[in-house]
Amino acid sequence: DIQMTQSPSSLSASVGDSVTITCRASQSITIHLNWYQQKPGKAPKLLIYAASNLQSGVPSRFSGRGSGTDFTLTISSLQPDDFATYFCLQSYSIRRTFGQGTKVEVK
Amino acid sequence: QVQLVESGGGVVQPGRSLRLSCAASGFSFSSYVMYWLRQAPGKGLEWVAFISSDGSNKYYADSVKGRFTNSRDNSNNTLYLQMDSLRVEDTALYFCARDGLIRGHAVIDVWGQGTLVAVS
Repeated sequence: DIQMTQSPSSLSASVGDSVTITCRASQSITIHLNWYQQKPGKAPKLLIYAASNLQSGVPSRFSGRGSGTDFTLTISSLQPDDFATYFCLQSYSIRRTFGQGTKVEVK
Repeated sequence: QVQLVESGGGVVQPGRSLRLSCAASGFSFSSYVMYWLRQAPGKGLEWVAFISSDGSNKYYADSVKGRFTNSRDNSNNTLYLQMDSLRVEDTALYFCARDGLIRGHAVIDVWGQGTLVAVS
């Protein structure tokens, strides 16, 4: 299976900060990388698909970049609702694999 | 609206069986690939099983192969996961999820809220 390595596992930030989360694939997945937000007790929410495409209804402060093996999710100007866990998911293979997640906490 | 609702979780002893269900509504269930995914306490998400839209193709994670069986009833818009020979390490929140197509890209775009399985 394709291994997804996500970093950092957690970070502390303040409202208004810009934060960047990274995912690295163990092999090229071209642009088949998606980002999700998850809050406790809730279903994950799709933010970015195909590396850089903003899902409908998602605020434009979320952005994604990358191709091949290296990808980033950036949240510019963090808002109170953005404190949550974020994870990446590769859709290159039917055998989907995930990053371990990044918990964004209040500093 | 588009919705997936899992049920069937609970506490079960090692070696026993459990059957999870996932009721789909608000979309054409028979047109979509579906997944089972799980998240152990304090851990990341893990893919468990894949089933094609017509149920003819199924794939399983190595950790569950030979013990779990994925099926679907397109006439009743329901996905199933039969879990046999359960192990302590199968303890997790189990999600069903839809593999949608957004502008030509396959992406898991709808998730259920999950059902908790505790093997103890």
